[in-house]
Amino acid sequence: GAVVSQHPSRVICKSGTSVKIECRSLDFQATTMFWYRQFPKKSLMLMATSNEGSKATYEQGVEKDKFLINHASLTLSTLTVTSAHPEDSSFYICSARGLAEQKETQYFGPGTRLLVL
Amino acid sequence: GQNIDQPTEMTATEGAIVQINCTYQTSGFNGLFWYQQHAGEAPTFLSYNVLDGLEEKGRFSSFLSRSKGYSYLLLKELQMKDSASYLCVIMDSNYQLIWGAGTKLIIKP
Repeated sequence: GAVVSQHPSRVICKSGTSVKIECRSLDFQATTMFWYRQFPKKSLMLMATSNEGSKATYEQGVEKDKFLINHASLTLSTLTVTSAHPEDSSFYICSARGLAEQKETQYFGPGTRLLVL
Repeated sequence: GQNIDQPTEMTATEGAIVQINCTYQTSGFNGLFWYQQHAGEAPTFLSYNVLDGLEEKGRFSSFLSRSKGYSYLLLKELQMKDSASYLCVIMDSNYQLIWGAGTKLIIKP
């Protein structure tokens, strides 16, 4: 079945550095990728939506210069957290929507835990 | 391996009660979430269970039995707007999220 992978699964970095998170759709082409942020025991917060080959659409309150999203191909999207600060520590989850097994559907990745020291 | 099972689709009547079951086998356990997702929208958090027992929140309740690898989401006084997919999600020992395929709930008048 269709799967979405994320890499790395967890990352620890120093304040001020940049971190890149990859999201890949396996076995299907993702026309749309979503990036979410989840705080402990709380709901997912949609950060941005990206369609392959075009600029991402950011939700209100999400800094597009801080959270750079690139959706260069139908199977890969990246989120780069630039100049990370401790308050950026969170769980980042991607989701991919596209045709899988001849059906329009959406799958979620396992998430990336980011800890900024 | 890791596995989450929930029914693909369920149908219920407006005003009634429905229980959506979820069984799981995962490498470790750090909590179970239930999300509601309407077509074309982002998932909405419903509940989080990490200890055995029942958590009640308005019309929705969630139950967990860790020894049985079992949870259910109970929806009371069903409304037409409850028609959605309900996702059972496990956080494993590595804090990775494992998503169930979701149960599509259809509410009929």
